[in-house]
Amino acid sequence: NAGVTQTPKFRILKIGQSMTLQCTQDMNHNYMYWYRQDPGMGLKLIYYSVGAGITDKGEVPNGYNVSRSTTEDFPLRLELAAPSQTSVYFCASNGGSVSNTEAFFGQGTRLTVV
Amino acid sequence: AQSVTQLDSQVPVFEEAPVELRCNYSSSVSVYLFWYVQYPNQGLQLLLKYLSGSTLVKGINGFEAEFNKSQTSFHLRKPSVHISDTAEYFCAVTGGSNYKLTFGKGTLLTVNP
Repeated sequence: NAGVTQTPKFRILKIGQSMTLQCTQDMNHNYMYWYRQDPGMGLKLIYYSVGAGITDKGEVPNGYNVSRSTTEDFPLRLELAAPSQTSVYFCASNGGSVSNTEAFFGQGTRLTVV
Repeated sequence: AQSVTQLDSQVPVFEEAPVELRCNYSSSVSVYLFWYVQYPNQGLQLLLKYLSGSTLVKGINGFEAEFNKSQTSFHLRKPSVHISDTAEYFCAVTGGSNYKLTFGKGTLLTVNP
């Protein structure tokens, strides 16, 4: 049981480049999330999804895009990377019932934009 | 809409002292509550959860939390902390028919020798 898997673990991007952070879960969870975490700033929700084909903005969506074509995958796309996007990114998922409402997190992607 | 307020952004304590990390929530429906811990340079892992039943829940590493519906609180406690408890702690809530999780801003617990 792999849980939530994020790739890559580390990445350095140049300003203006694009990349996709991958996230996949094998728990058949409906809900998936992308957060960014900056030092001392807690978790900020970028985007979330309540099921395949349904996504919605969180509190800091600018500069990012997501898609949810399958239940398992929830990639995060960075277009035209900027230094302000230097951060640690976490993907998470949880189910849509009381018995599996606990969230599981990936190990994070540390992104540096230079 | 649900919201979570963690009242302290940082809590410094000495080793073997008791600690309480405070969490208040706002919700118009029945809630499920969680505490997560994040050790330095790691992801988040579940510490404990309240779904129903006894309002006092016990988690890993000697932590416990009490659900107080009248005060809309879910404070985390440990009677005697260790250096290894130094970490960031996040409170989270979900509930009703919407299982979308909402997290607090986190509390950095620093245990000093």
